[in-house]
Amino acid sequence: SAVISQKPSRDICQRGTSLTIQCQVDSQVTMMFWYRQQPGQSLTLIATANQGSEATYESGFVIDKFPISRPNLTFSTLTVSNMSPEDSSIYLCSVEGPHNFNTEAFFGQGTRLTVV
Amino acid sequence: ILNVEQSPQSLHVQEGDSTNFTCSFPSSNFYALHWYRWETAKSPEALFVMTLNGDEKKKGRISATLNTKEGYSYLYIKGSQPEDSATYLCAIFYGQNFVFGPGTRLSVLP
Repeated sequence: SAVISQKPSRDICQRGTSLTIQCQVDSQVTMMFWYRQQPGQSLTLIATANQGSEATYESGFVIDKFPISRPNLTFSTLTVSNMSPEDSSIYLCSVEGPHNFNTEAFFGQGTRLTVV
Repeated sequence: ILNVEQSPQSLHVQEGDSTNFTCSFPSSNFYALHWYRWETAKSPEALFVMTLNGDEKKKGRISATLNTKEGYSYLYIKGSQPEDSATYLCAIFYGQNFVFGPGTRLSVLP
């Protein structure tokens, strides 16, 4: 199993500012995933973060808006840049189980972001 | 774009009632289905990982079935308790990433 510590748990931010969310894993993992859940919507994958290479972004998400860092195998950050009220969401980081889709994934506690 | 649906969107039941939810998904290119329970301000917690058509899994009062040919999974909770109150998510792995349903929010009233 993996334990993920995600910070902050919640924040209220002014539009136009940026927020950086951190995830620390208690073991080394190859890939970390960042998700967003907008109100009333499904969890949606933003990007996959690999150590030593640029993150891979899903359709509709761009690096300028959601820059990601992955300095080592246990840590990653997601920045929500130039925020607008539409960015108000829950953001989750995740890692896969040891056997990819055949075993459970593990998640952080989430960051509830409100942009005013 | 793959679409995973869950119904109902929300549900209120009395303590002791049994209940069930549905996850529907396109059946082609299916690899695995995961069920998670997500309580407010906590991490989503895995309930079941299911890969084979006809799979049935049970953990205490909670069980799940999988039909990959018709593209659905049922989650059952027997004798609901207030601590079962949470959002229940299903996620389908199609070969690269997971696609999540919107969840079913369960409230169990004492």
